[in-house]
Amino acid sequence: GAGVSQSPSNKVTEKGKDVELRCDPISGHTALYWYRQRLGQGLEFLIYFQGNSAPDKSGLPSDRFSAERTGESVSTLTIQRTQQEDSAVYLCASSPRPSGGAQQYFGPGTRLTVT
Amino acid sequence: GENVEQHPSTLSVQEGDSAVIKCTYSDSASNYFPWYKQELGKRPQLIIDIRSNVGEKKDQRIAVTLNKTAKHFSLHITETQPEDSAVYFCAAPPPGGYNKLIFGAGTRLAVHP
Repeated sequence: GAGVSQSPSNKVTEKGKDVELRCDPISGHTALYWYRQRLGQGLEFLIYFQGNSAPDKSGLPSDRFSAERTGESVSTLTIQRTQQEDSAVYLCASSPRPSGGAQQYFGPGTRLTVT
Repeated sequence: GENVEQHPSTLSVQEGDSAVIKCTYSDSASNYFPWYKQELGKRPQLIIDIRSNVGEKKDQRIAVTLNKTAKHFSLHITETQPEDSAVYFCAAPPPGGYNKLIFGAGTRLAVHP
């Protein structure tokens, strides 16, 4: 079956512009996660969605970052007024249930470059 | 805190040798510990995981051991091969937050022929 997909695969934007990144999770997966991975670094948790529950936004680095998810389908991560330090790969992952105890399946990521 | 500490940050071995990567966690109630492998330019993929009701789990050349008393778990790769070269991440649930995972900073493993 289809895995997690993300679009675009690459995005180059000018400082100050807004960007929107998309994630399509595996069908039926109730949990969805966004991570940021700076070059050569680890996976930094950003936000977590579980079904229709309120999202866990505890990892969002500033109010320029926001994310939405409609039910158990597509999610979008929006970064407003982008800064150079936002340059990173943004990874999405989905899981059949809350991932404290289940495998997370990662998408290929969106490489964001802010010039 | 929520840190998962991972060591070493880089590891270089000769083909055929063993490699060991260790992680420590903070919440004694944590009960799930996965390891992910990320090849260059690729997405992270789960290679093995362990739950707190067992002390060791093996899958061919890969094994994970868990010491709940000391709150650490380790990845063991035996008979390493060049295709094992990648970045390896451990993860654990944060204190009181069993719906998500906190990842270690990663270990870059290089296996030299």
